Amino acid sequence: AQSVTQLDSHVSVSEGTPVLLRCNYSSSYSPSLFWYVQHPNKGLQLLLKYTSAATLVKGINGFEAEFKKSETSFHLTKPSAHMSDAAEYFCVVSASGGGADGLTFGKGTHLIIQP
Amino acid sequence: KAGVTQTPRYLIKTRGQQVTLSCSPISGHRSVSWYQQTPGQGLQFLFEYFSETQRNKGNFPGRFSGRQFSNSRSEMNVSTLELGDSALYLCASSLARTGDGTDTQYFGPGTRLTVL
Repeated sequence: AQSVTQLDSHVSVSEGTPVLLRCNYSSSYSPSLFWYVQHPNKGLQLLLKYTSAATLVKGINGFEAEFKKSETSFHLTKPSAHMSDAAEYFCVVSASGGGADGLTFGKGTHLIIQP
Repeated sequence: KAGVTQTPRYLIKTRGQQVTLSCSPISGHRSVSWYQQTPGQGLQFLFEYFSETQRNKGNFPGRFSGRQFSNSRSEMNVSTLELGDSALYLCASSLARTGDGTDTQYFGPGTRLTVL
């Protein structure tokens, strides 16, 4: 079985300041981990993906995430927030080895950018 | 390359009716997965199809079913609709099955189903 916990349901930062969205996971298999973003009334867009090639993963729009196996964490960061970053962010785990659970999503973190 | 498309985008039905949603994957993608998104339950996995066969299934009642055609297009059907089925239904496609190293899923815009 696999699970994902996003530690904050809402995060509010000022434009130009760093962003940190926290995610912890649990998986019986070697996991693939993803961050997706969803803007209002839109589908999900892939930000970045971890598949064991490198622990620090760079994504689109200046986002990056670091895989820490010892802490079972995959936190998402961005050095400087932009107004267009305001959206819902989902941390997602997929079990390698053909797990029967499909993708497992966290509950989401709503990112608010203050002007 | 065109993205994942879903039709219709919006749908209004009444309780007891049935509904069919359609998903066309990215060209060359053989896996199609379906998800239900609601404010209360978040995003939940419904099922995955690969090469016309259902490979994985989430914890949903038998009223939810689907199929995949030889061109990888997929349909999802919900029979005997209930008020609680109101949700955004998302379809995602990938080159390989979930759990394979190349299993990045790309999502469509979703179908917003409202049950009255």
